[in-house]
Amino acid sequence: AQKITQTQPGMFVQEKEAVTLDCTYDTSDPSYGLFWYKQPSSGEMIFLIYQGSYDQQNATEGRYSLNFQKARKSANLVISASQLGDSAMYFCAMIDTGNQFYFGTGTSLTVIP
Amino acid sequence: DADVTQTPRNRITKTGKRIMLECSQTKGHDRMYWYRQDPGLGLRLIYYSFDVKDINKGEISDGYSVSRQAQAKFSLSLESAIPNQTALYFCATSDGLRETQYFGPGTRLLVL
Repeated sequence: AQKITQTQPGMFVQEKEAVTLDCTYDTSDPSYGLFWYKQPSSGEMIFLIYQGSYDQQNATEGRYSLNFQKARKSANLVISASQLGDSAMYFCAMIDTGNQFYFGTGTSLTVIP
Repeated sequence: DADVTQTPRNRITKTGKRIMLECSQTKGHDRMYWYRQDPGLGLRLIYYSFDVKDINKGEISDGYSVSRQAQAKFSLSLESAIPNQTALYFCATSDGLRETQYFGPGTRLLVL
């Protein structure tokens, strides 16, 4: 069974608008971590944001915030004030207590000028 | 200089050849990982190592082997390459605290 599900293969957003990228996860572990990574067309993987399963508050890093809904097992990424440079693939990932990482299949975001 | 480096960056080889991909890091992290990325499948974990004496299989270890020569070096080998091992390979490190992973630039491997 898939551990991480990203149901949006591709998304478009107007420059300066906000966009939400969806991610749901599957684990029975009480302790886990959730991540978002950005992969531009150049190919490198760039860490964006982290949320621990016991963190009370949603994580934020600059224009990135993680909308963590534990009961629904969702960890959506919100990008505010989109910029052209935000066009990239975005991957949601999880680490469980077995110390294994699981990545979703990614969402391709295109920012329209 | 990059904190996590991978060599080579690109490689073309033939079926049956032995290939080694190398990863070095200057972040001082104990934990190192090898992933492969295929279109539409995201990243999948091949092997990981939490210290020099610790090697663990990931989701898709068949056809691969690894060597942790030092804290800073983690190599991935394909003993007999096959075409379906054509992929983008990433090395990553983490410090074991928040488990944030830091990725190398990737190696594009084409097996003919």
